[in-house]
Amino acid sequence: EAAVTQSPRNKVTVTGGNVTLSCRQTNSHNYMYWYRQDTGHGLRLIHYSYGAGNLQIGDVPDGYKATRTTQEDFFLLLELASPSQTSLYFCASSGQGSGNTLYFGEGSRLIVV
Amino acid sequence: QQKVQQSPESLSVPEGGMASLNCTSSDRNFQYFWWYRQHSGEGPKALMSIFSDGDKKEGRFTAHLNKASLHVSLHIRDSQPSDSALYFCAASDNYGNEKITFGAGTKLTIKP
Repeated sequence: EAAVTQSPRNKVTVTGGNVTLSCRQTNSHNYMYWYRQDTGHGLRLIHYSYGAGNLQIGDVPDGYKATRTTQEDFFLLLELASPSQTSLYFCASSGQGSGNTLYFGEGSRLIVV
Repeated sequence: QQKVQQSPESLSVPEGGMASLNCTSSDRNFQYFWWYRQHSGEGPKALMSIFSDGDKKEGRFTAHLNKASLHVSLHIRDSQPSDSALYFCAASDNYGNEKITFGAGTKLTIKP
């Protein structure tokens, strides 16, 4: 089964602070995703990428940057964190081609105070 | 309005009973559908996919897809306490952009 590892698992930061969430997958998948999970909204797509150096805009990208440095590593950056970004963040990966299943990490809980 | 809408928001079923979850899409471009399950404290895991009209059965789980009405359902027979979880419906189109959209989820509780 695909392995997706996220860090940190928990993070508390102040309003205006910088946060970087990291994700690594070890299954040679081309696609990687960042979602946020909030009660009543389910999982909402922030950014995704189909390879190193590539970035695609998701459905809720405002306030977030992302960078895919290698096939394995995908980072989510919050440069001026706001309380509205308090959420549970999930990274996922999938193989190439329509209809591929997502493999999720265990999540990173971020609290912005 | 979310492109993938799930109902009900929550559902309680006695152990051994049948649980039925529903999902409707508002985007006619969606061609591929999944059900994901998330237990408390974990990441979502794919339960099953369905890409063609009709039924798909995997053990106690049966998914049904009707592309004409953009409706997909999940039925769990002989429900077990371990089936208690948050269930997500997900969909994507066939344009190769690999963008996958999720619904808000249905919280299923199986009562012993």
